[in-house]
Amino acid sequence: DSGVTQTPKHLITATGQRVTLRCSPRSGDLSVYWYQQSLDQGLQFLIHYYNGEERAKGNILERFSAQQFPDLHSELNLSSLELGDSALYFCASSAETYPGNTIYFGEGSWLTVV
Amino acid sequence: SQQGEEDPQALSIQEGENATMNCSYKTSINNLQWYRQNSGRGLVHLILIRSNEREKHSGRLRVTLDTSKKSSSLLITASRAADTASYFCARGEGSQGNLIFGKGTKLSVKP
Repeated sequence: DSGVTQTPKHLITATGQRVTLRCSPRSGDLSVYWYQQSLDQGLQFLIHYYNGEERAKGNILERFSAQQFPDLHSELNLSSLELGDSALYFCASSAETYPGNTIYFGEGSWLTVV
Repeated sequence: SQQGEEDPQALSIQEGENATMNCSYKTSINNLQWYRQNSGRGLVHLILIRSNEREKHSGRLRVTLDTSKKSSSLLITASRAADTASYFCARGEGSQGNLIFGKGTKLSVKP
């Protein structure tokens, strides 16, 4: 158990809908990262938050947004969902934001768009 | 693509044999981390090696890093069926700590 908690574990929704994925980082970790894993694209970095502030953006679509709250939990919002958004979404956390910190991953949220 | 290259893409061995997976990259890194993923599950952190380190060990795992060749390898000694999983290298770039993942090596260890 990495200590990173993600909910829901599985989600099935229809195209055009909006979903919210939730992440609780390890106790004391200030950095939260979101990744998307799909068969064709592999593991793609989406976005990184540190102590409530956005620090880096990766291949995140404009239909997607994220935030990190004062209690350090984070949410990834996916809107106007398309079939191609079906993927495993990971949240990860680390203690700090500088390079060289071990990054711990949650079990992921499986999203299926039908 | 910003992703590194891992080879082989798939590796099948017998229990007790050693497994070696390689990872190459193109840009400068500050660290490289190896992860294991069982099918459809989360990523389990194995080892972090910094750019100024050449080798690290953890139990049956040995990771080497050659920054002049921009490559790293993960060696699993005396493999077990439970080692069957996908293995990913992820490199840390830039100043913010986020990782860029390779496509992974799928390891199958047959009892």
